[in-house]
Amino acid sequence: TQLLEQSPQFLSIQEGENLTVYCNSSSVFSSLQWYRQEPGEGPVLLVTVVTGGEVKKLKRLTFQFGDARKDSSLHITAAQPGDTGLYLCAGARAAGNKLTFGGGTRVLVKP
Amino acid sequence: NAGVTQTPKFQVLKTGQSMTLQCAQDMNHEYMSWYRQDPGMGLRLIHYSVGAGITDQGEVPNGYNVSRSTTEDFPLRLLSAAPSQTSVYFCASNEQGNTGELFFGEGSRLTVL
Repeated sequence: TQLLEQSPQFLSIQEGENLTVYCNSSSVFSSLQWYRQEPGEGPVLLVTVVTGGEVKKLKRLTFQFGDARKDSSLHITAAQPGDTGLYLCAGARAAGNKLTFGGGTRVLVKP
Repeated sequence: NAGVTQTPKFQVLKTGQSMTLQCAQDMNHEYMSWYRQDPGMGLRLIHYSVGAGITDQGEVPNGYNVSRSTTEDFPLRLLSAAPSQTSVYFCASNEQGNTGELFFGEGSRLTVL
């Protein structure tokens, strides 16, 4: 069992639809990061959230950190084919602790 | 802007062979780490370093060795490759401790027959 569980594992939608990816744990995290990875490349950081209840927006992407800092979600509005990729959440349980990654959610946005 | 450079990008080994995956960064980051990525498993930490001369084990260190003689370089050695080590390997560096933004290389795909 992974410390961070992501769901769903795979999501296929049409261009223009909305989607939400979840990252859940029974542990409390001091911070949580979201990365996107495209085929043949390394992951690239999208956002870091550190405060319980925090909401961050990055254009059409909205990230939320749960009030108890045990979970997070990524919502994409009006998805585009360029949003296709593997989305990974990563959490740190305490300051100075190492990041633990979730299993990833593979998103496919069809034109 | 080179960032984090990994070589080779692809490698095929036979069981029992040894090899070294190279990683270099030009951002003067103190922290470097190696991850392996397997389907559905996300990224799992193999070894990491908080500075030249200092290394430590991650979640899955067995079968791998590392050293950090300079700030720039952090090679990963497989002493006797096994089929279970077939994976994509990523090197990463960061400057804000173990929880800062990770900058990844493009990955090295290793197949062990």
